[in-house]
Amino acid sequence: DTAVSQTPKYLVTQMGNDKSIKCEQNLGHDTMYWYKQDSKKFLKIMFSYNNKELIINETVPNRFSPKSPDKAHLNLHINSLELGDSAVYFCASSSRGRREQYFGPGTRLTVT
Amino acid sequence: AQSVSQHNHHVILSEAASLELGCNYSYGGTVNLFWYVQYPGQHLQLLLKYFSGDPLVKGIKGFEAEFIKSKFSFNLRKPSVQWSDTAEYFCAVNAKENNDMRFGAGTRLTVKP
Repeated sequence: DTAVSQTPKYLVTQMGNDKSIKCEQNLGHDTMYWYKQDSKKFLKIMFSYNNKELIINETVPNRFSPKSPDKAHLNLHINSLELGDSAVYFCASSSRGRREQYFGPGTRLTVT
Repeated sequence: AQSVSQHNHHVILSEAASLELGCNYSYGGTVNLFWYVQYPGQHLQLLLKYFSGDPLVKGIKGFEAEFIKSKFSFNLRKPSVQWSDTAEYFCAVNAKENNDMRFGAGTRLTVKP
């Protein structure tokens, strides 16, 4: 009965590879988000999707692309991984009526 | 877009001490306010939230926060901390008009037993 789930939990890969992180929510929310948390715990929003429409797109490299097959899923695809991409990536969701966001368990990405 | 600042980067307290973590934001419009907690190795969990009404809100685990509109502040308090409160605490501000959520840099709380 996990509310927001992410896979994988850990991802170790080499520079230059392409990888994806999946996120699913079963809360019936209409907005989903991706955040990047660096080693200093700073949390930066990357994307959000509402009804399959990108509504926030921060200045992230275009190597990062969110893909939402339906409103319960928002996957994050990363091309040509770089060392600086190493971080913990959190997915979150919320509903338009209630703004609090519910977070997934995070995916720790390590690029070597 | 709004910005959020948390004044304390790292706070160290002994058990039973009182806690107050500062949070200020800058935004001219209507906001919703949140405090999240992240225990070591875990995801962010909602501690409490303010949408409207009584500016003093109570959350889980004995935490409370007070919204002072004139000061653009939403400080988190707990009268007596426990070792299990050791975590990272994030203040967040959501702009009602566009659902844009911004987080502060976080405050690490270490409670010594």
